[in-house]
Amino acid sequence: QAVVTQEPSLTVSPGGTVTLTCGSSTGAVTSGHYPYWFQQKPGQAPRTLIYDTSRRHSWTPARFSGSLLGGKAALTLSGAQPEDEAEYYCLLSYSGVNYVFGTGTKVTVL
Amino acid sequence: QLQLLESGPGLVKPSETLSLTCAVSGDSISSNHWWSWVRHPPGKGLEWIGEVYQSGSTNYNPSLKSRVTMSVDKSKNHFSLKLNSVTAADTAVYYCARSTDFDNWGQGTLVTVSS
Repeated sequence: QAVVTQEPSLTVSPGGTVTLTCGSSTGAVTSGHYPYWFQQKPGQAPRTLIYDTSRRHSWTPARFSGSLLGGKAALTLSGAQPEDEAEYYCLLSYSGVNYVFGTGTKVTVL
Repeated sequence: QLQLLESGPGLVKPSETLSLTCAVSGDSISSNHWWSWVRHPPGKGLEWIGEVYQSGSTNYNPSLKSRVTMSVDKSKNHFSLKLNSVTAADTAVYYCARSTDFDNWGQGTLVTVSS
């Protein structure tokens, strides 16, 4: 079973930019892993922000963007807002038959 | 608008079987989608449990595969999860979701394993 690793915590200033990454123990993350990014706030279900590396849902604020960066999946938040403070999880697909969540990144807006 | 709603016992005894159902409204369970279960143990990260297709085909997390069964009931437009031989480590909030882009999630249901 692959292990998917994220930064445990990151802090960003209001209006600032932060990049979260998502790495796989099996090697480079590619578009073939169809990377997803979720935001989860306490007591709430996860909400999908990004799917298929960089595609946004209709409800995803434009300040969130997804990409591949240095062999990892990346989520960039540009112009952070107080309401962006949350836990963020990536999810990778392995051969279309297994999904593995990342370890999660707690983002603080301060 | 697609809505998913989990239901099932909130308390399960160790060694017994956890059974949950996810009712689907606003879409047909027979549509061209996979349907997933995800759990969130307290203080830990999210874990994908597995997914089921309308035909009954399944994909399971290898670490849980020996204990998991998922199924679809087209007549009731819902899908189900069974996890046997549970221990305290299976205590978690359990979510159902549509695997296609994971665009829709249920609100989650807390299942506690305790005697």
